Amino acid sequence: DIQMTQSPTSLSASVGDRVTITCRASQNIRSYLNWFHQKPGKAPKLLISGASTLQSGVPSRFSGTGSGTDFTLTISSLQPEDVATYYCQQTFNNIWTFGQGTKIEIK
Amino acid sequence: QVQLVQSGGEVKRPGASVKVSCKASGYIFSNYAFTWVRQAPGQGLEWLGYISGYNGNARYGHMVQGRVTMTTDTTTDTVYMELRSLTSDDTAVYYCARVVAADGGDEIDYWGQGTLVIVSS
Repeated sequence: DIQMTQSPTSLSASVGDRVTITCRASQNIRSYLNWFHQKPGKAPKLLISGASTLQSGVPSRFSGTGSGTDFTLTISSLQPEDVATYYCQQTFNNIWTFGQGTKIEIK
Repeated sequence: QVQLVQSGGEVKRPGASVKVSCKASGYIFSNYAFTWVRQAPGQGLEWLGYISGYNGNARYGHMVQGRVTMTTDTTTDTVYMELRSLTSDDTAVYYCARVVAADGGDEIDYWGQGTLVIVSS
């Protein structure tokens, strides 16, 4: 299986800060990488697909970059409503896998 | 509007089986696929498998392969996930979700509300 490794596991930042999460695949997954966030007690929500395509309705402060094995999710100006756990997911092959998650809190 | 409504929570004994349903509405069932994802208490997301709404072809994650079966019923627009030989490690919220094929790869666009399965003696 393709292993997805996110870093950091958690972070605390101030409102307005620029925040970056990284996701590394154990092999080349081209751009078959999605980003989700999940708020407590809720189902995950798709933010970005294909490594960089922002989903309709998702604020433009979210952006995704990368291809191959290294990917990043950036929040350009952290807002209180962005408190959540963020997951990357690869859909490169028939066996999909998620990263372990990155929990974002407000300092 | 698209809705995925899952069956209610279950409590099972170790060794038993559980079958979770997910009824879809608001779109043409056979035009999309489904995926199942679970989340143990306080843990991350684990992908369980994928099933086509068109022909019922399924593939499963290696952690549950051999114990899981996913099926569809196109007469009721319902997808099912059965997990057998349950252990306490299977205690989790189980989500069904709709999969849409896109240029950049498959996307999960709608989720069910989740079904809590507790395995306890």
